[in-house]
Amino acid sequence: QSVLTQSPSASGTPGQRVTISCSGSSSNIGNNYVCWYQQFPGTAPKLLMYRNNQRPSGVPDRFSGSKSGTSASLAISGLRSEDEADYYCAAWDDNLSGNVFGGGTKLTVL
Amino acid sequence: EVQLVESGGGLVQPGRSLRLSCAASGFTFDDHAMHWVRQAPGKGLEWVSGISRNSGSIGYADSVRGRFSISRDNAKNSLYLQMNSLRAEDSALYYCAKDLSFSVVPTAIGSWGQGTLVTVSS
Repeated sequence: QSVLTQSPSASGTPGQRVTISCSGSSSNIGNNYVCWYQQFPGTAPKLLMYRNNQRPSGVPDRFSGSKSGTSASLAISGLRSEDEADYYCAAWDDNLSGNVFGGGTKLTVL
Repeated sequence: EVQLVESGGGLVQPGRSLRLSCAASGFTFDDHAMHWVRQAPGKGLEWVSGISRNSGSIGYADSVRGRFSISRDNAKNSLYLQMNSLRAEDSALYYCAKDLSFSVVPTAIGSWGQGTLVTVSS
């Protein structure tokens, strides 16, 4: 059971806007920055978002991040077939003194 | 170009030890915190350990605390993970990873290696 909770799956059609959520607590999301990672099968993860809503260089602005209280969200607008991947949220947890990941959300583009 | 190349994985019996290494290049190694993250086959990501740029701050996941030890050699641009008392549940692909900043907190992993596979089985 992951400390950060994500829905196991999400889906959308091309061009649609999809939101992936991540729920935590005051010891992690509530008090620390959230990151989002994208992972394609058989490859290493890639950083999509850091400090809640900051995009690393090269990440399209179709991806956006937000945080409210103990929850965070990753939004993907103008959905494309190449966005089909696993998405993980992560944050530092003050009680555990460690970084924690969500269980991951598998995004399917229909 | 950032390159992180892991080595040292393999098949090991339960209770034995293994040492993973990561050779880093393409960036100023001692400017960045480094991490080990693992992923069991078909499962999600699990942060294992992180170390700040000068080794002054180190963190471990509860699942490995007391058994694993992270270290770095900035002169050799290398990161290590000493894994003792290995268990079947430690079987996973172990990624070496570079943080965006010099500190472990907050963790933001900007670059990843391709991973080295550790299998713990008798």
